Amino acid sequence: DTGVSQNPRHKITKRGQNVTFRCDPISEHNRLYWYRQTLGQGPEFLTYFQNEAQLEKSRLLSDRFSAERPKGSFSTLEIQRTEQGDSAMYLCASSLRGGGGDTQYFGPGTRLTVL
Amino acid sequence: GENVEQHPSTLSVQEGDSAVIKCTYSDSASNYFPWYKQELGKRPQLIIDIRSNVGEKKDQRIAVTLNKTAKHFSLHITETQPEDSAVYFCAVNNAGNMLTFGGGTRLMVKP
Repeated sequence: DTGVSQNPRHKITKRGQNVTFRCDPISEHNRLYWYRQTLGQGPEFLTYFQNEAQLEKSRLLSDRFSAERPKGSFSTLEIQRTEQGDSAMYLCASSLRGGGGDTQYFGPGTRLTVL
Repeated sequence: GENVEQHPSTLSVQEGDSAVIKCTYSDSASNYFPWYKQELGKRPQLIIDIRSNVGEKKDQRIAVTLNKTAKHFSLHITETQPEDSAVYFCAVNNAGNMLTFGGGTRLMVKP
C-alpha cells in the first residue's frame, strides 16, 4: 500500500495519560499535515511540515499538543495530559509541494477515546 | 481567518437525479478548492479539485464550478447512484497551504 498510513488506528486512554500517534506519508511527498476531526464536522487543521521544518503550528489546540518530523519522513503527534475533549479522529495528510495549492491525500486516521 | 460555509447540510435525491452542493469562502487570496468524499469510518478521499485559473472542471459525472468574484464554488454530481451516498466536504487553501473545510453535506441517494 503506497498511500498515507497511520498507527495506531484506535487508541483508548485514561484522562491525564500521554499519547503518541504516528503518520507515514506517501514516500515522495515532502509536506505532511495533521488535522483533527470531531463527529459531524470537517477536518480542522493543526500543523504542517515541509521536510523536517514545522512551518505552521499556531493552530495546535494547546501547549499539550506537539508534533515532530525529525528526518523529514514519518511524523508523530503527541498529546500530553489528555482530556476528554481531546477525543476525536486525528488525520494525517501528505502532499508534494507545488504551485497553486497542493493536493493533500489523507490517511485512515487514529481514533482517540479519552475515558 | 478563512471562513467556509457549505450548504445544504443534508441532501436527499432519487437515484439518477443530480445533486448540487455549494460553498462560499471569505479569503480572496485563496487559489485552490478541493472536494472530498468521506464514507462512514473512512478517510476523506479527494474526488475533484479546481484552481483559480479555471472556472469549471469536469470528471465523468462530477463537475466543479468556481466564481472567484463572488467567492463561491459548487460541486455537481449527475446521474447519482446509491454508492454516491456519503458526506462531502469542500475545502479552501490559505496561507501556509492549510485547508479550511466546510461543515459537510450528507448526501443520501435513494434507490
